[in-house]
Amino acid sequence: DAGVIQSPRHEVTEMGQEVTLRCKPISGHNSLFWYRQTMMRGLELLIYFNNNVPIDDSGMPEDRFSAKMPNASFSTLKIQPSEPRDSAVYFCASSFSAGNTIYFGEGSWLTVV
Amino acid sequence: AQSVTQLDSQVPVFEEAPVELRCNYSSSVSVYLFWYVQYPNQGLQLLLKYLSGSTLVKGINGFEAEFNKSQTSFHLRKPSVHISDTAEYFCAVSEAGNEKLTFGTGTRLTIIP
Repeated sequence: DAGVIQSPRHEVTEMGQEVTLRCKPISGHNSLFWYRQTMMRGLELLIYFNNNVPIDDSGMPEDRFSAKMPNASFSTLKIQPSEPRDSAVYFCASSFSAGNTIYFGEGSWLTVV
Repeated sequence: AQSVTQLDSQVPVFEEAPVELRCNYSSSVSVYLFWYVQYPNQGLQLLLKYLSGSTLVKGINGFEAEFNKSQTSFHLRKPSVHISDTAEYFCAVSEAGNEKLTFGTGTRLTIIP
């Protein structure tokens, strides 16, 4: 299996621009997670989906952030407009039901200047 | 809601010495417990997990952890570390049956040759 695939791996963008991060979960997994990692705040769960339905989005920082999962094999995290404080590594992860291993992608490194 | 505390942000250890990375959790219900490792510039990967049963859990790369319900702890141990163990280690908890994983702030393990 190819694992969780994220794109882009690295992105540098200017403040105010729209950023879209993409994720393909492992085939057969029914839960998908978006995490953000920064030095200051560590790993934060932004949102997670189960069977393509958002279950908990309490970690989404503000209205500039939105996430979608139109089908079982694709999800996006969008930031519009982006700000320098959004600079972080964004991880997508997937699993098959509670208690099972959550598999992480290699992350999307975002820098907003 | 559950929470995780990793008391040590950094742990330096000489090569071939034993190591223990501490993790304490807080939850009002039964929990699942996990240790993940993150190598530089990579995503997280599972070391081991406790769901139920034997409180001593063995994982990959010679690591093990013991679930102690009375002390609400899940400390990670390895009897003899190698240079390749240099990484950041994250303890995580979820409520049993719930997919939402809460991570600790991480412990950076540095192996001294």
